[in-house]
Amino acid sequence: EAGVAQSPRYKIIEKRQSVAFWCNPISGHATLYWYQQILGQGPKLLIQFQNNGVVDDSQLPKDRFSAERLKGVDSTLKIQPAKLEDSAVYLCASSLGLAGYEQYFGPGTRLTVT
Amino acid sequence: QKEVEQDPGPLSVPEGAIVSLNCTYSNSAFQYFMWYRQYSRKGPELLMYTYSSGNKEDGRFTAQVDKSSKYISLFIRDSQPSDSATYLCAMTFHSGGYQKVTFGTGTKLQVIP
Repeated sequence: EAGVAQSPRYKIIEKRQSVAFWCNPISGHATLYWYQQILGQGPKLLIQFQNNGVVDDSQLPKDRFSAERLKGVDSTLKIQPAKLEDSAVYLCASSLGLAGYEQYFGPGTRLTVT
Repeated sequence: QKEVEQDPGPLSVPEGAIVSLNCTYSNSAFQYFMWYRQYSRKGPELLMYTYSSGNKEDGRFTAQVDKSSKYISLFIRDSQPSDSATYLCAMTFHSGGYQKVTFGTGTKLQVIP
Protein backbone atom coordinates (compact mmCIF):
# COMPACT_ATOMS: atom_id res chain seq x y z
CA GLU A 1 0.00 0.00 0.00
CA ALA A 2 1.43 3.35 -1.03
CA GLY A 3 1.90 5.86 1.76
CA VAL A 4 1.11 9.54 1.94
CA ALA A 5 3.00 11.47 -0.70
CA GLN A 6 4.11 15.07 -0.34
CA SER A 7 5.99 17.47 -2.55
CA PRO A 8 8.23 19.29 -2.64
CA ARG A 9 10.42 17.86 0.13
CA TYR A 10 12.33 21.09 0.62
CA LYS A 11 11.61 24.70 -0.23
CA ILE A 12 13.51 27.91 0.42
CA ILE A 13 11.78 31.23 -0.21
CA GLU A 14 12.17 34.83 0.80
CA LYS A 15 9.70 36.50 3.13
CA ARG A 16 6.64 37.94 1.44
CA GLN A 17 6.85 35.33 -1.34
CA SER A 18 4.19 32.67 -1.79
CA VAL A 19 4.56 28.90 -1.64
CA ALA A 20 2.36 25.87 -2.17
CA PHE A 21 2.62 22.32 -0.90
CA TRP A 22 0.94 19.27 -2.33
CA CYS A 23 -0.31 16.11 -0.62
CA ASN A 24 -1.70 12.86 -1.95
CA PRO A 25 -3.22 10.74 0.84
CA ILE A 26 -3.47 6.98 1.08
CA SER A 27 -6.08 5.68 -1.35
CA GLY A 28 -9.50 5.46 0.26
CA HIS A 29 -8.66 7.67 3.23
CA ALA A 30 -11.47 10.17 3.65
CA THR A 31 -9.79 12.40 6.22
CA LEU A 32 -6.78 14.55 5.46
CA TYR A 33 -4.79 16.70 7.88
CA TRP A 34 -2.21 19.44 7.47
CA TYR A 35 0.16 20.05 10.38
CA GLN A 36 2.89 22.59 11.06
CA GLN A 37 5.86 21.28 13.03
CA ILE A 38 8.33 23.88 14.22
CA LEU A 39 11.76 22.58 15.22
CA GLY A 40 11.66 21.03 18.68
CA GLN A 41 7.87 21.05 18.89
CA GLY A 42 5.09 18.60 18.23
CA PRO A 43 2.87 18.83 15.16
CA LYS A 44 0.20 21.53 15.35
CA LEU A 45 -2.98 20.90 13.39
CA LEU A 46 -3.66 23.59 10.79
CA ILE A 47 -6.64 22.15 8.97
CA GLN A 48 -8.60 18.90 8.74
CA PHE A 49 -10.70 17.79 5.78
CA GLN A 50 -13.37 15.11 5.62
CA ASN A 51 -13.59 14.28 1.91
CA ASN A 52 -13.54 17.78 0.40
CA GLY A 53 -15.19 19.57 3.33
CA VAL A 54 -13.39 21.40 6.13
CA VAL A 55 -13.90 19.82 9.57
CA ASP A 56 -11.52 21.99 11.61
CA ASP A 57 -9.49 25.04 10.59
CA SER A 58 -9.49 26.80 13.94
CA GLN A 59 -5.67 27.09 14.07
CA LEU A 60 -5.14 28.05 10.44
CA PRO A 61 -3.87 31.66 10.07
CA LYS A 62 -6.45 32.49 7.47
CA ASP A 63 -4.98 35.88 6.59
CA ARG A 64 -2.05 34.12 4.91
CA PHE A 65 -2.72 30.38 4.79
CA SER A 66 -5.25 28.63 2.60
CA ALA A 67 -5.93 25.01 1.77
CA GLU A 68 -8.17 23.08 -0.51
CA ARG A 69 -8.98 19.48 -1.24
CA LEU A 70 -10.59 19.20 -4.60
CA LYS A 71 -12.56 16.02 -5.38
CA GLY A 72 -11.81 14.70 -1.90
CA VAL A 73 -8.39 13.31 -2.80
CA ASP A 74 -5.29 15.50 -3.28
CA SER A 75 -4.82 18.64 -1.26
CA THR A 76 -2.76 21.81 -1.51
CA LEU A 77 -1.69 24.16 1.27
CA LYS A 78 -0.66 27.68 0.33
CA ILE A 79 1.10 30.44 2.21
CA GLN A 80 0.88 33.97 0.85
CA PRO A 81 2.78 36.05 1.87
CA ALA A 82 5.27 34.01 3.89
CA LYS A 83 6.82 35.28 7.12
CA LEU A 84 10.04 34.22 8.81
CA GLU A 85 8.07 32.43 11.53
CA ASP A 86 6.51 30.15 8.92
CA SER A 87 9.81 28.25 8.70
CA ALA A 88 8.80 24.75 9.72
CA VAL A 89 8.05 21.27 8.43
CA TYR A 90 4.58 20.96 6.94
CA LEU A 91 3.20 17.48 7.43
CA CYS A 92 0.27 15.91 5.70
CA ALA A 93 -1.53 12.94 7.24
CA SER A 94 -4.56 10.86 6.35
CA SER A 95 -6.91 8.46 8.08
CA LEU A 96 -9.80 6.25 7.05
CA GLY A 97 -12.43 8.05 9.08
CA LEU A 98 -12.84 10.89 11.53
CA ALA A 99 -11.54 8.93 14.52
CA GLY A 100 -8.14 10.62 14.35
CA TYR A 101 -6.31 8.00 16.39
CA GLU A 102 -4.81 6.16 13.43
CA GLN A 103 -3.21 8.74 11.20
CA TYR A 104 -0.57 8.03 8.59
CA PHE A 105 1.92 10.78 7.90
CA GLY A 106 3.84 11.77 4.82
CA PRO A 107 7.54 12.71 4.93
CA GLY A 108 6.79 16.42 5.20
CA THR A 109 7.94 19.54 3.37
CA ARG A 110 10.71 21.49 5.06
CA LEU A 111 10.14 25.20 4.46
CA THR A 112 12.80 27.81 5.12
CA VAL A 113 11.79 31.46 4.88
CA THR A 114 14.74 33.89 4.64
CA GLN B 1 -0.64 25.22 31.27
CA LYS B 2 -0.42 23.23 28.05
CA GLU B 3 -3.04 20.56 27.45
CA VAL B 4 -0.34 17.92 26.95
CA GLU B 5 3.05 18.04 28.66
CA GLN B 6 5.98 15.92 27.59
CA ASP B 7 9.57 16.01 28.82
CA PRO B 8 11.65 17.03 25.77
CA GLY B 9 14.74 15.13 26.91
CA PRO B 10 17.09 14.28 25.37
CA LEU B 11 17.09 10.89 27.04
CA SER B 12 20.22 8.81 26.57
CA VAL B 13 20.28 5.11 27.57
CA PRO B 14 22.56 2.12 26.92
CA GLU B 15 21.45 -0.59 24.54
CA GLY B 16 19.26 -3.16 26.26
CA ALA B 17 17.87 -0.75 28.84
CA ILE B 18 14.19 -0.34 29.62
CA VAL B 19 13.01 3.09 28.53
CA SER B 20 10.09 4.95 30.07
CA LEU B 21 8.56 7.87 28.18
CA ASN B 22 5.79 9.88 29.77
CA CYS B 23 3.12 12.48 29.13
CA THR B 24 0.71 14.25 31.40
CA TYR B 25 -2.45 15.99 30.34
CA SER B 26 -5.03 18.33 31.77
CA ASN B 27 -8.14 17.70 29.65
CA SER B 28 -10.20 14.91 31.19
CA ALA B 29 -12.18 14.64 27.93
CA PHE B 30 -9.28 12.96 26.12
CA GLN B 31 -10.38 9.51 24.96
CA TYR B 32 -7.74 8.00 22.69
CA PHE B 33 -4.05 8.03 23.49
CA MET B 34 -1.40 7.45 20.85
CA TRP B 35 2.35 7.13 20.62
CA TYR B 36 4.20 8.08 17.46
CA ARG B 37 7.87 7.61 16.62
CA GLN B 38 9.58 10.21 14.44
CA TYR B 39 12.99 9.63 12.95
CA SER B 40 15.04 12.64 11.94
CA ARG B 41 13.71 14.28 8.77
CA LYS B 42 10.81 11.82 8.54
CA GLY B 43 7.10 12.01 9.28
CA PRO B 44 5.71 10.54 12.51
CA GLU B 45 4.88 6.84 12.47
CA LEU B 46 2.08 5.43 14.63
CA LEU B 47 3.34 2.89 17.18
CA MET B 48 0.22 2.20 19.23
CA TYR B 49 -3.04 3.66 20.39
CA THR B 50 -5.19 2.86 23.40
CA TYR B 51 -8.67 3.84 24.45
CA SER B 52 -9.09 2.97 28.08
CA SER B 53 -6.96 2.93 31.19
CA GLY B 54 -4.63 -0.03 31.47
CA ASN B 55 -1.81 -1.55 29.48
CA LYS B 56 -1.44 -2.50 25.84
CA GLU B 57 1.52 -4.47 24.61
CA ASP B 58 3.00 -4.80 21.13
CA GLY B 59 6.32 -6.62 20.97
CA ARG B 60 8.90 -4.64 22.93
CA PHE B 61 6.51 -1.71 23.39
CA THR B 62 3.95 -1.29 26.16
CA ALA B 63 1.58 1.66 26.39
CA GLN B 64 0.06 2.48 29.75
CA VAL B 65 -2.79 4.87 30.47
CA ASP B 66 -3.86 6.10 33.90
CA LYS B 67 -6.88 8.33 33.38
CA SER B 68 -7.31 9.00 37.09
CA SER B 69 -3.85 10.58 37.21
CA LYS B 70 -4.02 11.97 33.65
CA TYR B 71 -0.74 10.24 32.88
CA ILE B 72 0.36 8.02 30.03
CA SER B 73 3.57 6.11 29.48
CA LEU B 74 5.36 4.18 26.78
CA PHE B 75 7.82 1.52 27.86
CA ILE B 76 10.42 0.11 25.51
CA ARG B 77 12.06 -3.14 26.58
CA ASP B 78 15.48 -4.26 25.39
CA SER B 79 16.07 -0.92 23.69
CA GLN B 80 18.02 -0.95 20.43
CA PRO B 81 20.03 1.75 18.65
CA SER B 82 17.31 1.68 15.97
CA ASP B 83 14.89 2.98 18.64
CA SER B 84 16.78 6.28 18.63
CA ALA B 85 14.16 8.80 17.56
CA THR B 86 11.75 11.39 18.91
CA TYR B 87 8.66 9.92 20.56
CA LEU B 88 5.46 11.94 20.40
CA CYS B 89 2.41 11.33 22.52
CA ALA B 90 -0.94 12.42 21.13
CA MET B 91 -4.48 12.46 22.45
CA THR B 92 -7.93 12.95 21.03
CA PHE B 93 -11.28 14.06 22.35
CA HIS B 94 -14.70 14.12 20.74
CA SER B 95 -15.67 17.50 19.37
CA GLY B 96 -18.48 18.28 16.94
CA GLY B 97 -18.66 14.82 15.40
CA TYR B 98 -14.96 14.13 15.08
CA GLN B 99 -11.92 13.38 17.25
CA LYS B 100 -9.74 16.47 17.81
CA VAL B 101 -6.05 15.63 18.11
CA THR B 102 -3.39 17.30 20.28
CA PHE B 103 0.28 16.29 20.19
CA GLY B 104 2.93 16.59 22.87
CA THR B 105 6.23 18.27 22.10
CA GLY B 106 8.13 14.98 21.82
CA THR B 107 10.94 13.30 23.77
CA LYS B 108 14.20 12.69 21.95
CA LEU B 109 15.65 9.27 22.76
CA GLN B 110 19.18 8.09 22.04
CA VAL B 111 20.12 4.45 22.58
CA ILE B 112 23.88 4.04 22.87
CA PRO B 113 25.35 0.77 21.47
